[in-house]
Amino acid sequence: GESVGLHLPTLSVQEGDNSIINCAYSNSASDYFIWYKQESGKGPQFIIDIRSNMDKRQGQRVTVLLNKTVKHLSLQIAATQPGDSAVYFCAENGAGGTSYGKLTFGQGTILTVHP
Amino acid sequence: DGGITQSPKYLFRKEGQNVTLSCEQNLNHDAMYWYRQDPGQGLRLIYYSQIVNDFQKGDIAEGYSVSREKKESFPLTVTSAQKNPTAFYLCASSIDPTALGSKNIQYFGAGTRLSVL
Repeated sequence: GESVGLHLPTLSVQEGDNSIINCAYSNSASDYFIWYKQESGKGPQFIIDIRSNMDKRQGQRVTVLLNKTVKHLSLQIAATQPGDSAVYFCAENGAGGTSYGKLTFGQGTILTVHP
Repeated sequence: DGGITQSPKYLFRKEGQNVTLSCEQNLNHDAMYWYRQDPGQGLRLIYYSQIVNDFQKGDIAEGYSVSREKKESFPLTVTSAQKNPTAFYLCASSIDPTALGSKNIQYFGAGTRLSVL
Protein backbone atom coordinates (compact mmCIF):
# COMPACT_ATOMS: atom_id res chain seq x y z
CA GLY A 1 0.00 0.00 0.00
CA GLU A 2 0.96 3.62 -0.19
CA SER A 3 1.84 6.09 2.51
CA VAL A 4 2.18 9.81 2.27
CA GLY A 5 5.89 10.35 1.72
CA LEU A 6 6.90 6.89 0.37
CA HIS A 7 7.65 5.89 -3.24
CA LEU A 8 5.20 4.32 -5.65
CA PRO A 9 4.09 0.76 -4.88
CA THR A 10 2.45 -1.45 -7.50
CA LEU A 11 -0.43 -3.89 -7.50
CA SER A 12 -1.09 -6.42 -10.27
CA VAL A 13 -4.38 -8.29 -10.48
CA GLN A 14 -6.28 -10.44 -12.93
CA GLU A 15 -9.40 -9.13 -14.59
CA GLY A 16 -12.41 -9.95 -12.45
CA ASP A 17 -10.48 -10.04 -9.19
CA ASN A 18 -11.12 -7.57 -6.38
CA SER A 19 -8.38 -4.99 -5.76
CA ILE A 20 -7.45 -3.38 -2.48
CA ILE A 21 -5.27 -0.28 -2.44
CA ASN A 22 -4.03 0.97 0.91
CA CYS A 23 -3.01 4.36 2.22
CA ALA A 24 -1.60 5.41 5.58
CA TYR A 25 -1.97 9.01 6.66
CA SER A 26 -0.13 10.87 9.36
CA ASN A 27 -2.37 13.75 10.45
CA SER A 28 -4.84 12.62 13.09
CA ALA A 29 -6.69 15.94 12.65
CA SER A 30 -7.57 15.19 9.03
CA ASP A 31 -11.32 15.08 8.64
CA TYR A 32 -11.82 14.40 4.97
CA PHE A 33 -10.29 11.96 2.53
CA ILE A 34 -10.49 11.52 -1.21
CA TRP A 35 -9.40 8.85 -3.67
CA TYR A 36 -8.31 9.85 -7.15
CA LYS A 37 -7.55 7.82 -10.28
CA GLN A 38 -4.93 9.06 -12.73
CA GLU A 39 -4.54 7.49 -16.15
CA SER A 40 -1.32 7.96 -18.05
CA GLY A 41 -0.85 11.50 -19.32
CA LYS A 42 -4.08 12.77 -17.78
CA GLY A 43 -5.11 14.71 -14.71
CA PRO A 44 -6.39 12.93 -11.59
CA GLN A 45 -10.07 12.06 -11.58
CA PHE A 46 -12.22 12.01 -8.44
CA ILE A 47 -13.43 8.53 -7.47
CA ILE A 48 -14.90 8.65 -3.98
CA ASP A 49 -14.62 10.56 -0.73
CA ILE A 50 -15.25 9.93 2.96
CA ARG A 51 -15.63 12.08 6.02
CA SER A 52 -13.88 11.21 9.26
CA ASN A 53 -17.21 10.57 10.98
CA MET A 54 -17.72 7.55 8.73
CA ASP A 55 -15.79 4.30 8.50
CA LYS A 56 -17.16 3.03 5.20
CA ARG A 57 -18.61 4.47 2.05
CA GLN A 58 -19.68 2.68 -1.12
CA GLY A 59 -19.88 3.81 -4.68
CA GLN A 60 -20.29 2.01 -7.94
CA ARG A 61 -17.85 -0.95 -7.73
CA VAL A 62 -15.74 0.96 -5.22
CA THR A 63 -15.70 1.03 -1.44
CA VAL A 64 -13.57 3.21 0.80
CA LEU A 65 -12.78 2.10 4.34
CA LEU A 66 -11.41 4.42 6.99
CA ASN A 67 -9.75 3.25 10.20
CA LYS A 68 -8.98 6.33 12.28
CA THR A 69 -7.46 4.32 15.10
CA VAL A 70 -4.52 3.29 12.95
CA LYS A 71 -4.82 6.17 10.46
CA HIS A 72 -5.42 3.89 7.51
CA LEU A 73 -7.52 4.29 4.40
CA SER A 74 -8.25 1.69 1.74
CA LEU A 75 -9.93 1.61 -1.64
CA GLN A 76 -11.58 -1.60 -2.73
CA ILE A 77 -12.44 -2.11 -6.39
CA ALA A 78 -14.81 -4.97 -7.14
CA ALA A 79 -14.52 -7.04 -10.32
CA THR A 80 -11.49 -5.12 -11.53
CA GLN A 81 -11.42 -4.37 -15.25
CA PRO A 82 -8.54 -3.48 -17.60
CA GLY A 83 -9.91 0.07 -17.70
CA ASP A 84 -9.18 0.34 -14.00
CA SER A 85 -5.45 0.24 -14.72
CA ALA A 86 -4.09 3.57 -13.50
CA VAL A 87 -2.31 5.25 -10.60
CA TYR A 88 -4.49 5.69 -7.54
CA PHE A 89 -3.89 8.48 -5.04
CA CYS A 90 -5.34 9.09 -1.65
CA ALA A 91 -5.58 12.66 -0.41
CA GLU A 92 -6.35 14.08 3.00
CA ASN A 93 -7.55 17.45 4.16
CA GLY A 94 -4.55 17.79 6.38
CA ALA A 95 -5.55 20.92 8.29
CA GLY A 96 -8.77 19.45 9.62
CA GLY A 97 -11.80 21.51 10.59
CA THR A 98 -11.93 24.86 8.87
CA SER A 99 -9.14 25.04 6.37
CA TYR A 100 -8.03 26.46 3.08
CA GLY A 101 -8.95 23.21 1.40
CA LYS A 102 -5.35 22.15 1.06
CA LEU A 103 -5.10 18.49 0.28
CA THR A 104 -2.05 16.38 1.02
CA PHE A 105 -1.61 13.66 -1.59
CA GLY A 106 -0.07 10.26 -1.13
CA GLN A 107 2.57 9.08 -3.58
CA GLY A 108 0.17 6.79 -5.41
CA THR A 109 -0.20 3.09 -6.19
CA ILE A 110 0.09 1.72 -9.71
CA LEU A 111 -2.71 -0.75 -10.43
CA THR A 112 -2.23 -3.04 -13.42
CA VAL A 113 -5.09 -5.28 -14.47
CA HIS A 114 -4.22 -8.26 -16.66
CA PRO A 115 -6.89 -9.63 -19.04
CA ASP B 1 -19.18 22.08 -21.41
CA GLY B 2 -17.87 22.92 -17.94
CA GLY B 3 -14.44 22.11 -16.67
CA ILE B 4 -10.84 23.11 -16.25
CA THR B 5 -8.77 23.85 -19.31
CA GLN B 6 -5.02 23.86 -19.28
CA SER B 7 -2.91 25.02 -22.17
CA PRO B 8 -0.70 24.27 -23.87
CA LYS B 9 -0.61 20.49 -23.55
CA TYR B 10 3.14 20.47 -24.25
CA LEU B 11 5.59 23.30 -23.66
CA PHE B 12 9.30 23.65 -24.19
CA ARG B 13 11.46 26.12 -22.34
CA LYS B 14 14.84 27.41 -23.32
CA GLU B 15 17.43 28.06 -20.65
CA GLY B 16 16.92 31.43 -18.98
CA GLN B 17 13.42 31.82 -20.33
CA ASN B 18 10.21 32.42 -18.39
CA VAL B 19 7.16 30.49 -19.57
CA THR B 20 3.53 30.80 -18.57
CA LEU B 21 1.06 27.95 -18.24
CA SER B 22 -2.59 28.77 -18.61
CA CYS B 23 -5.42 27.46 -16.43
CA GLU B 24 -9.04 28.48 -16.96
CA GLN B 25 -12.15 27.16 -15.21
CA ASN B 26 -15.82 27.83 -15.89
CA LEU B 27 -17.07 25.97 -12.82
CA ASN B 28 -17.44 29.16 -10.76
CA HIS B 29 -15.10 27.65 -8.18
CA ASP B 30 -13.56 29.94 -5.59
CA ALA B 31 -10.25 28.14 -5.14
CA MET B 32 -7.58 27.18 -7.64
CA TYR B 33 -4.35 25.24 -7.24
CA TRP B 34 -1.15 24.42 -9.10
CA TYR B 35 0.70 21.15 -8.60
CA ARG B 36 3.88 19.70 -9.97
CA GLN B 37 4.17 15.99 -10.66
CA ASP B 38 7.49 14.28 -11.39
CA PRO B 39 7.66 10.78 -12.93
CA GLY B 40 6.59 8.11 -10.47
CA GLN B 41 5.80 10.70 -7.83
CA GLY B 42 2.77 12.20 -6.19
CA LEU B 43 1.50 15.76 -6.50
CA ARG B 44 3.33 18.63 -4.83
CA LEU B 45 1.57 21.93 -4.24
CA ILE B 46 3.18 24.99 -5.84
CA TYR B 47 0.66 27.77 -5.21
CA TYR B 48 -3.00 28.06 -4.34
CA SER B 49 -5.60 30.79 -4.35
CA GLN B 50 -8.76 30.97 -2.27
CA ILE B 51 -10.20 34.09 -3.86
CA VAL B 52 -9.48 36.63 -6.54
CA ASN B 53 -6.40 38.78 -5.95
CA ASP B 54 -5.14 36.49 -3.22
CA PHE B 55 -2.78 33.53 -3.39
CA GLN B 56 -0.50 31.58 -1.07
CA LYS B 57 2.72 29.66 -1.48
CA GLY B 58 2.54 25.92 -1.38
CA ASP B 59 5.32 23.50 -0.57
CA ILE B 60 7.54 24.17 -3.59
CA ALA B 61 6.88 27.78 -4.64
CA GLU B 62 10.50 28.78 -5.33
CA GLY B 63 11.07 29.56 -9.00
CA TYR B 64 7.35 29.98 -9.73
CA SER B 65 4.91 32.89 -9.71
CA VAL B 66 1.14 33.18 -10.12
CA SER B 67 -1.61 35.76 -10.41
CA ARG B 68 -5.34 35.63 -9.77
CA GLU B 69 -6.85 38.70 -11.39
CA LYS B 70 -10.02 36.88 -12.43
CA LYS B 71 -11.97 34.16 -10.69
CA GLU B 72 -11.78 31.86 -13.69
CA SER B 73 -8.06 32.22 -14.42
CA PHE B 74 -4.93 31.22 -12.49
CA PRO B 75 -1.83 31.33 -14.72
CA LEU B 76 1.47 29.88 -13.54
CA THR B 77 4.81 31.34 -14.63
CA VAL B 78 7.84 29.11 -14.46
CA THR B 79 10.73 31.52 -14.10
CA SER B 80 14.37 31.13 -15.03
CA ALA B 81 15.07 30.72 -11.31
CA GLN B 82 13.46 27.26 -11.46
CA LYS B 83 16.50 25.18 -12.37
CA ASN B 84 14.71 21.88 -12.84
CA PRO B 85 11.36 22.73 -14.45
CA THR B 86 10.84 19.52 -16.42
CA ALA B 87 7.63 18.01 -15.01
CA PHE B 88 3.91 17.52 -15.50
CA TYR B 89 1.97 20.53 -14.20
CA LEU B 90 -1.58 20.15 -12.99
CA CYS B 91 -4.13 22.83 -12.23
CA ALA B 92 -7.14 22.16 -10.03
CA SER B 93 -10.10 24.01 -8.58
CA SER B 94 -12.55 23.48 -5.74
CA ILE B 95 -15.89 25.03 -4.88
CA ASP B 96 -15.19 26.49 -1.48
CA PRO B 97 -11.95 25.65 0.32
CA THR B 98 -13.25 26.91 3.65
CA ALA B 99 -16.18 24.49 3.68
CA LEU B 100 -16.06 20.99 5.04
CA GLY B 101 -16.49 17.83 3.06
CA SER B 102 -17.32 17.56 -0.60
CA LYS B 103 -16.74 21.24 -1.36
CA ASN B 104 -13.07 20.47 -0.84
CA ILE B 105 -12.99 18.06 -3.77
CA GLN B 106 -10.41 19.32 -6.23
CA TYR B 107 -11.14 18.85 -9.92
CA PHE B 108 -8.17 18.69 -12.23
CA GLY B 109 -7.30 19.80 -15.71
CA ALA B 110 -5.56 17.54 -18.23
CA GLY B 111 -2.12 18.93 -17.42
CA THR B 112 0.76 20.62 -19.21
CA ARG B 113 3.99 18.75 -19.80
CA LEU B 114 6.95 21.11 -19.62
CA SER B 115 10.36 20.15 -20.97
CA VAL B 116 13.64 22.01 -21.21
CA LEU B 117 15.37 22.38 -24.58
